[in-house]
Amino acid sequence: NAGVTQTPKFQVLKTGQSMTLQCAQDMNHNSMYWYRQDPGMGLRLIYYSASEGTTDKGEVPNGYNVSRLNKREFSLRLESAAPSQTSVYFCASSAWDTNYGYTFGSGTRLTVV
Amino acid sequence: SQKIEQNSEALNIQEGKTATLTCNYTNYSPAYLQWYRQDPGRGPVFLLLIRENEKEKRKERLKVTFDTTLKQSLFHITASQPADSATYLCALVYYGNNRLAFGKGNQVVVIP
Repeated sequence: NAGVTQTPKFQVLKTGQSMTLQCAQDMNHNSMYWYRQDPGMGLRLIYYSASEGTTDKGEVPNGYNVSRLNKREFSLRLESAAPSQTSVYFCASSAWDTNYGYTFGSGTRLTVV
Repeated sequence: SQKIEQNSEALNIQEGKTATLTCNYTNYSPAYLQWYRQDPGRGPVFLLLIRENEKEKRKERLKVTFDTTLKQSLFHITASQPADSATYLCALVYYGNNRLAFGKGNQVVVIP
């Protein structure tokens, strides 16, 4: 019963490098989300996917791209990392039934130097 | 734009007492409101959901109220325990929009 699995857990990038954060859920949820969490800023939505085959921008999409590979997987790509993207990234998923809330992964701590 | 406000100061409370946290929002009322718990280095964990037409929800030692007139939700932890020490996040969803918007969270420290 893994829930939401994120990889990697930690990553250090140099400015300008690219990388993809992976997220997979095994709960048959329709919707998936990427958030970033910064001190004093709270959780902010980067991109979301309401269902397989659709993606939409959230509050802070600039510098990121996403792919909803299938119902289980939703990846976040940084094409050219910047120090401002240093953050903790959380993936989450939810079912149509909102009574159960979101299920979050354990996060990826990314540092861009 | 919509704002979700939680107290930035940590709440220090004696074990056994009731901890009360506040979540205030501006502008229009959400369809429903959720509360999450977050421990250091971990992702948020869903606790409770309360809908616009509900006044109060309970789950074990947790109680949430929702006042659309005051634009406020209160989150109570009764008989608090050191294991309740964490950051608690308020989150809102609006009609026609299934995305959660989060407050910045409020830390609770339960002192034995």
